[in-house]
Amino acid sequence: GAVVSQHPSWVICKSGTSVKIECRSLDFQATTMFWYRQFPKQSLMLMATSNEGSKATYEQGVEKDKFLINHASLTLSTLTVTSAHPEDSSFYICSARSRLAGSYEQYFGPGTRLTVT
Amino acid sequence: AQKITQTQPGMFVQEKEAVTLDCTYDTSDPSYGLFWYKQPSSGEMIFLIYQGSYDQQNATEGRYSLNFQKARKSANLVISASQLGDSAMYFCAMREGISGGGADGLTFGKGTHLIIQP
Repeated sequence: GAVVSQHPSWVICKSGTSVKIECRSLDFQATTMFWYRQFPKQSLMLMATSNEGSKATYEQGVEKDKFLINHASLTLSTLTVTSAHPEDSSFYICSARSRLAGSYEQYFGPGTRLTVT
Repeated sequence: AQKITQTQPGMFVQEKEAVTLDCTYDTSDPSYGLFWYKQPSSGEMIFLIYQGSYDQQNATEGRYSLNFQKARKSANLVISASQLGDSAMYFCAMREGISGGGADGLTFGKGTHLIIQP
């Protein structure tokens, strides 16, 4: 089955620093990757859609200068939380959609738990 | 207005009983897909089942089936013969614009916390 990895699985950083999270599709090529955010005991909220070779599309209310997304290849997308603050502490999950025609499924990574102190 | 509504924040069910998790959705797009995911305490999102808006048959995957009632905009998940390992959060989600190859992400409901009791 399709596998998506995320690195790191958890990270603790100090307020004001930047953190980069990687999302990789291991055994398939992903034309589109998605970044979600989940606060404790809440649902997943889509932050942005990332297409290989083009700029990410951000959802309303998500600061694109704060959450930098780079989709450099068909197997890698990165999310950088810049100048992190405690309110950015959350569970960040990526998903990837296969470039295979007709594929509807999104494959989720295991998530990255970010704690900003 | 919420696009995905899950009205059961939590459910307790006896092991081996069948469980129905409710999900209603709202969309004006004729082409959409409905998903159910399971999220255990580890946080990973486990895909369970998918139903396309044009699918004639209700989707089934092992112990999971989706009771798709298009006119009611309802997509309830049925788990037969529940097991202790089914205890988790369950999320209903929708993607619109399926047939156009839309690259939209999923819209999730708030989830149902299912606890299976021995």
